[in-house]
Amino acid sequence: DGGITQSPKYLFRKEGQNVTLSCEQNLNHDAMYWYRQDPGQGLRLIYYSQIVNDFQKGDIAEGYSVSREKKESFPLTVTSAQKNPTAFYLCASNPTGTGPGGTQYFGPGTRLLVL
Amino acid sequence: AQSVSQHNHHVILSEAASLELGCNYSYGGTVNLFWYVQYPGQHLQLLLKYFSGDPLVKGIKGFEAEFIKSKFSFNLRKPSVQWSDTAEYFCALLGGGNKLTFGTGTQLKVEL
Repeated sequence: DGGITQSPKYLFRKEGQNVTLSCEQNLNHDAMYWYRQDPGQGLRLIYYSQIVNDFQKGDIAEGYSVSREKKESFPLTVTSAQKNPTAFYLCASNPTGTGPGGTQYFGPGTRLLVL
Repeated sequence: AQSVSQHNHHVILSEAASLELGCNYSYGGTVNLFWYVQYPGQHLQLLLKYFSGDPLVKGIKGFEAEFIKSKFSFNLRKPSVQWSDTAEYFCALLGGGNKLTFGTGTQLKVEL
């Protein structure tokens, strides 16, 4: 059963705490992406990776970090520097590493809440 | 810089009414355009996409969209909506760097 899995479904963060959101795909896609979804703001790109061991900042990377050690995994860490982390986080992947043509496939999302 | 605008934030229609959701973009290069839909409690999924060729593209569930280059638009249409079309709809542009830029979304509610 191919697809993108994200865990956990809900995550609670305390002040000053770093938390890591998991994203795994078994679609053999090269490129992976993290978006943040806020009401009325659509999806905004946090980080993306077009190939293993390489990633680039998106439009709102401050307060976040990522790694891409394996093709199938792209975890996102929300650091204590992110002052407004409460949001719905979506992971996506697409089958082409560069250039157009890759329809992005999305995971079910993780909702992060601050205690 | 690339950007996408969706001017209708909330739309309420009765079943069988026709739908048109606006999407305008700003980008200087070759565009690839998408409409995604997010049904309540479900994954974001692709409705349709335009890469090249016929500017009128057809997607799933009876949706279609027309790319009008002179107007920088990619409006989504459906002749007759159903209650099950209630969802949030996002227009997106694939521009430089293989990055998708999304609009702010349109929440559609279809009433019986």
